[in-house]
Amino acid sequence: EPEVTQTPSHQVTQMGQEVILRCVPISNHLYFYWYRQILGQKVEFLVSFYNNEISEKSEIFDDQFSVERPDGSNFTLKIRSTKLEDSAMYFCASRLTQGSGANVLTFGAGSRLTVL
Amino acid sequence: DAKTTQPPSMDCAEGRAANLPCNHSTISGNEYVYWYRQIHSQGPQYIIHGLKNNETNEMASLIITEDRKSSTLILPHATLRDTAVYYCIVNDMRFGAGTRLTVKP
Repeated sequence: EPEVTQTPSHQVTQMGQEVILRCVPISNHLYFYWYRQILGQKVEFLVSFYNNEISEKSEIFDDQFSVERPDGSNFTLKIRSTKLEDSAMYFCASRLTQGSGANVLTFGAGSRLTVL
Repeated sequence: DAKTTQPPSMDCAEGRAANLPCNHSTISGNEYVYWYRQIHSQGPQYIIHGLKNNETNEMASLIITEDRKSSTLILPHATLRDTAVYYCIVNDMRFGAGTRLTVKP
């Protein structure tokens, strides 16, 4: 079964450092998402991406965050200057764009970010 | 904010049916209802979705009220491995707090 792959599974970084989280969505999917989940809290929407541009973003997704699809397979989330409160699990998800099953999201296993 | 509301927690006896309700009173006519679950800190896993009609797959059944303002996810024979947080979402792809289902022996 096709899956969404995320790397790294766990990253530890110092406050103020830049972090890039990587995702390989399912190959024929066209919509891509990033979510985050702070320990013990709900899954929060960060951003959606379609046709090489951001289609929607939440208030959490401020100027320190950026997303990019640098090639035909990777979808990245960059955090420019990490803060302690960025410590969380970050989930990438993708979906198709047409048909009755179009909005079914497939999630990756997540990347755990720990900011010290 | 999410457009759905769910009870924060529920218990179910192993082998019995688990019925998880969801309120989506502001759902619009062309929005689907989707159910996902999250086991521990794993990525959310898709379970089932529907628009108007009741749906069934190998994992669960989905009952949607005629006015579409609420739905119920049914796990017909809950097992200990079904212990998870269950999320009901609509087309906005926003997750609420979900329902923590605990299946007890």
